[in-house]
Amino acid sequence: SQQGEEDPQALSIQEGENATMNCSYKTSINNLQWYRQNSGRGLVHLILIRSNEREKHSGRLRVTLDTSKKSSSLLITASRAADTASYFCATGRDDKIIFGKGTRLHILP
Amino acid sequence: DTAVSQTPKYLVTQMGNDKSIKCEQNLGHDTMYWYKQDSKKFLKIMFSYNNKELIINETVPNRFSPKSPDKAHLNLHINSLELGDSAVYFCASSRKQGTGNTIYFGEGSWLTVV
Repeated sequence: SQQGEEDPQALSIQEGENATMNCSYKTSINNLQWYRQNSGRGLVHLILIRSNEREKHSGRLRVTLDTSKKSSSLLITASRAADTASYFCATGRDDKIIFGKGTRLHILP
Repeated sequence: DTAVSQTPKYLVTQMGNDKSIKCEQNLGHDTMYWYKQDSKKFLKIMFSYNNKELIINETVPNRFSPKSPDKAHLNLHINSLELGDSAVYFCASSRKQGTGNTIYFGEGSWLTVV
């Protein structure tokens, strides 16, 4: 069964603005990962956050995890045209990694 | 020096045909996967192999048969193709089995059944 669900389904923002995407899940997890998929390409790993971590940074990316609310957020600061892509959260539990449906992010020039 | 490579990238075929998609990874990973992404971008795991052994089989019709001749290869054979099989199929690998590992994806194989 599907584990993570991203919100919003689609997001359009101006270049330079910050983009925030959320992921909610239903059952307990070991960790949560975020991936990016450019149009017509495979998914690329961005960041992993473990269940005992609350926040993690990588360059312009900031990920938070709230296990009590079963939710995570991905913040991309100072967005660029190259950030246009779909973003997926993937939750890990019992040796399975399950992906959500993704958020389509479009950066407007 | 592609990490996870799959062929063909595009495949158009008629209903009822049998087709295969090949996948190879040169990362030295133990675990390989097949994922299916439908038209709504929903990415669903189909199979997972660890050191050539089937670990995950997610309620996939038995028309789909994965085959792992060695831990660097995981091919997907599909019999009696149906219209609903049209999707993008992604091969992937990770260093080890387990949810704490990064998954490396291939570029996808676009299958269209007509």
